[in-house]
Amino acid sequence: EAGVAQSPRYKIIEKRQSVAFWCNPISGHATLYWYQQILGQGPKLLIQFQNNGVVDDSQLPKDRFSAERLKGVDSTLKIQPAKLEDSAVYLCASSLNRGPTYNEQFFGPGTRLTVL
Amino acid sequence: AQSVTQLGSHVSVSEGALVLLRCNYSSSVPPYLFWYVQYPNQGLQLLLKYTSAATLVKGINGFEAEFKKSETSFHLTKPSAHMSDAAEYFCAVGSGSSNTGKLIFGQGTTLQVKP
Repeated sequence: EAGVAQSPRYKIIEKRQSVAFWCNPISGHATLYWYQQILGQGPKLLIQFQNNGVVDDSQLPKDRFSAERLKGVDSTLKIQPAKLEDSAVYLCASSLNRGPTYNEQFFGPGTRLTVL
Repeated sequence: AQSVTQLGSHVSVSEGALVLLRCNYSSSVPPYLFWYVQYPNQGLQLLLKYTSAATLVKGINGFEAEFKKSETSFHLTKPSAHMSDAAEYFCAVGSGSSNTGKLIFGQGTTLQVKP
């Protein structure tokens, strides 16, 4: 079974530029998550999708960050314009999330963003 | 609100020694608790999870954790450290209803294993 795919793996941009990250979850996983992991910290949830609907985007800086999950499969996270403090690893995860108990979240390798 | 505190950002042990990584949680409802491991330049991998069944949870690679409600703790242990255990470890608590799956992570603990 293929895991969660993310691209690109690394990205370096200047501040005020735009950048987009792509995620392909595990086939059949209804729930998709984007996390931001700043160096030395744990991952922080940015946005959660259930199929193609947003479940939680309370910690997404909506003035510069946007995300979509068209057709309930792939997802794109965009930053426009980027700031220095956006330098982090952006992790995508997916899970089945069916039934009464927590389902395991499967993580992709992440995209390391450096903003200069 | 739920939260997780990992005590000690860096733990160093000798190969073959006991590994103990500490995690305390705060939750107003019975929690779901998890330990994840992250190797350099990789995503997170689930080690084990507590979902209100047995309080002693066994995971992969010889790790286990014990849920102690009275101490609000979920410490991760391994009897004998191996060089390959060197990585970043994250404790997480499930937030919200079980079906949302949202996780809140601790700050992480870097485990160093010395030969």
